[in-house]
Amino acid sequence: AQKITQTQPGMFVQEKEAVTLDCTYDTSDQSYGLFWYKQPSSGEMIFLIYQGSYDEQNATEGRYSLNFQKARKSANLVISASQLGDSAMYFCAMREVLDQAGTALIFGKGTTLSVSS
Amino acid sequence: GAVVSQHPSRVICKSGTSVKIECRSLDFQATTMFWYRQFPKQSLMLMATSNEGSKATYEQGVEKDKFLINHASLTLSTLTVTSAHPEDSSFYICSARDPSTGLAGPQYFGPGTRLTVL
Repeated sequence: AQKITQTQPGMFVQEKEAVTLDCTYDTSDQSYGLFWYKQPSSGEMIFLIYQGSYDEQNATEGRYSLNFQKARKSANLVISASQLGDSAMYFCAMREVLDQAGTALIFGKGTTLSVSS
Repeated sequence: GAVVSQHPSRVICKSGTSVKIECRSLDFQATTMFWYRQFPKQSLMLMATSNEGSKATYEQGVEKDKFLINHASLTLSTLTVTSAHPEDSSFYICSARDPSTGLAGPQYFGPGTRLTVL
């Protein structure tokens, strides 16, 4: 079974509008972390935002916020006031067993976001 | 955030040759580094976890004799693709966590290496 599911292969949004990128996850661990990364066409992976399983508040970083619904096992990324430079591939990722340093990130299939003027 | 460098950024080689890719953590020490592989328009697939001073842990389906990993120091891990074939052509990207950010800290990624095997 997939650990991270991103159901939107592509999303389109106009400049200055908000957009939500969906992510659901599957884990039986109590301690885990959820991450969002942006990958522009250059290929670099840019860390955007983090949410821990025990965090009560939804994470926010500038124009990025994470809508964390633990009971539904969803961690959607909300980008407010989209900019042309936001056009990229976005990956949701999870790290299980957060108390062990050696566990790697598991990635979803990604969502391609296209922002138009 | 922390910086991870990767070299080379792009390599083209002939079938049958070996290629070495270096991954360095520039401003922190990493006992663990991770190697991923990404095909065009697809997700990152974990290949192996590189452990400083010990053997790497490979994911199921990844040939350890083909993808040799050496983590000789706390700031350097290398991935060698041995006897490369065209099907090994891909984007290889490494990552590491900065321990000072705590167990919940993000993995920082190198810029990636695009390997083309002719």
